[in-house]
Amino acid sequence: KAGVTQTPRYLIKTRGQQVTLSCSPISGHRSVSWYQQTPGQGLQFLFEYFSETQRNKGNFPGRFSGRQFSNSRSEMNVSTLELGDSALYLCASRAGGGEDGYTFGSGTRLTVV
Amino acid sequence: GENVEQHPSTLSVQEGDSAVIKCTYSDSASNYFPWYKQELGKGPQLIIDIRSNVGEKKDQRIAVTLNKTAKHFSLHITETQPEDSAVYFCAAKVTGNQFYFGTGTSLTVIP
Repeated sequence: KAGVTQTPRYLIKTRGQQVTLSCSPISGHRSVSWYQQTPGQGLQFLFEYFSETQRNKGNFPGRFSGRQFSNSRSEMNVSTLELGDSALYLCASRAGGGEDGYTFGSGTRLTVV
Repeated sequence: GENVEQHPSTLSVQEGDSAVIKCTYSDSASNYFPWYKQELGKGPQLIIDIRSNVGEKKDQRIAVTLNKTAKHFSLHITETQPEDSAVYFCAAKVTGNQFYFGTGTSLTVIP
């Protein structure tokens, strides 16, 4: 079956702009989580959505937001981009019921200039 | 919240030797512990996991051990091969909560 698909793969934006990243989970997976990965900070949890509701949220400013649609696809938005937002943004999905591991996408590499 | 520490941050081994990566966690309620392998340009891939009701799990050359009393778990890779070179992440999870990841171990297998 198809894996987790993230689009776009690469993105270059200017400070102050906003950006929307998209994630299509594995078919049947209802939980989608987003992570920011940087060399210095590792994997930082942004938020998790399950059945269109935000279930958990990390410690990121309100400029970072997300949503999930009825087909489980998810988007995350970053407004008023800062240079420090440059990172690999990873989406991960799982069935969501109990304890099971994530399947990650390949990520979107965001560069803010 | 949970705090996961991972050691070492870098590890080099000769091909055919074993590699061990260790993680500690702080929340005794954590009950699920996956390990991920991330190759360059790719997202992390789940390679093995263990639940708190099990002390050890093995899958071919990879094994994970869990010590709930000491709150640590380890990844063991035997007979390492160059394709095992990657960054490995451990994680811990409490039911209903988010995953907490370690900071990663960069493993290099020298041919």
